[in-house]
Amino acid sequence: NAGVMQNPRHLVRRRGQEARLRCSPMKGHSHVYWYRQLPEEGLKFMVYLQKENIIDESGMPKERFSAEFPKEGPSILRIQQVVRGDSAAYFCASSSAGTGDGYTFGSGTRLTVV
Amino acid sequence: KQEVTQIPAALSVPEGENLVLNCSFTDSAIYNLQWFRQDPGKGLTSLLLIQSSQREQTSGRLNASLDKSSGRSTLYIAASQPGDSATYLCAVEGTSGTYKYIFGTGTRLKVLA
Repeated sequence: NAGVMQNPRHLVRRRGQEARLRCSPMKGHSHVYWYRQLPEEGLKFMVYLQKENIIDESGMPKERFSAEFPKEGPSILRIQQVVRGDSAAYFCASSSAGTGDGYTFGSGTRLTVV
Repeated sequence: KQEVTQIPAALSVPEGENLVLNCSFTDSAIYNLQWFRQDPGKGLTSLLLIQSSQREQTSGRLNASLDKSSGRSTLYIAASQPGDSATYLCAVEGTSGTYKYIFGTGTRLKVLA
């Protein structure tokens, strides 16, 4: 029973390029959450998705960032025209909603913008 | 607005010592509270989940308590080991139903052999 799978583990992008981060939730989990951890800061909520729906994107920057969770395939966090300030660890978590059973986190994607 | 604070920010103890990590939150209207462990450069591992109706949870050498009315939780680690060295994060989920966790900035624990 694989956990939450994130890839790639490390991603290096030049300023202005696009970054695509992938997250496959645990089997049986239909709710996905993305968090960002900036250096020396705590984790901050970005977006909460269910299959084909964005439920809460209140933590996501209005520009350049988008997220999706299609009917088939992993959830994608997409960052367009990356800047140095986007360098961070991006964590995905999943849950089986309605049970309040907490989150299971993936190992994260560490994005470095050079 | 919910804020979560963890003290101390860093802690260094000799092996074998019992220790307590503290977490406080400003809004007592929480759905649950979760303690996580994060190793350097790694993801988060869930340690204990306490529902709002519960007072404590135990797993092995770990015990977490929750006092909702005072906005506090403690994580007790018994007989600490070097392998316990990590950052410990506390996170609370509000009652809004969006499953959004607010995280503290963590306590960096180092257990010396």
